[in-house]
Amino acid sequence: RKEVEQDPGPFNVPEGATVAFNCTYSNSASQSFFWYRQDCRKEPKLLMSVYSSGNEDGRFTAQLNRASQYISLLIRDSKLSDSATYLCVVNGGSGNTPLVFGKGTRLSVIA
Amino acid sequence: SQTIHQWPATLVQPVGSPLSLECTVEGTSNPNLYWYRQAAGRGLQLLFYSVGIGQISSEVPQNLSASRPQDRQFILSSKKLLLSDSGFYLCAWSIGGDQPQHFGDGTRLSIL
Repeated sequence: RKEVEQDPGPFNVPEGATVAFNCTYSNSASQSFFWYRQDCRKEPKLLMSVYSSGNEDGRFTAQLNRASQYISLLIRDSKLSDSATYLCVVNGGSGNTPLVFGKGTRLSVIA
Repeated sequence: SQTIHQWPATLVQPVGSPLSLECTVEGTSNPNLYWYRQAAGRGLQLLFYSVGIGQISSEVPQNLSASRPQDRQFILSSKKLLLSDSGFYLCAWSIGGDQPQHFGDGTRLSIL
């Protein structure tokens, strides 16, 4: 199974800032892409799927660049509650091959 | 709606003792099931996954084993725990390999 790479951070940003995370993946055959959020000492939770045309959910925007094999997550108007680790997730291959989780990027939003 | 239950939430075990962690899913049939371990400050490590009853794929050689005795039940076991088995154990389910996984609350295991 191929790798998913993320900048581990931490990203320390003030409230209201815009922050972007990038993630690269090595399996060019990957078709499914997701961002998860994991709070300290909690389970990961699905934040959003990433679609080819890019997609937005409130303050969160996800983009996919298949040619360069990277995915991005943009968070606008950061809130204190956005502090968490953000995991980039890519499907590992065809059929029932499990998803591959990146190690995550840690975000701290500071008052 | 689908729910996933994992227990216990925390567990403290002595070195050399056995382990059994259970995970059950409700509200769906024939889910894919997964066991992960996460060491403190580290990423998720996939331990086992199952696409059907009695079908287990092992990702990492270790002293752990998994079983799926029923469609929506996934069990993680060890005969003799090591100090290195400490960590946060997470069970997850999905409807397919390329679909989002949904996690249980996790079990925090400490080995003394």
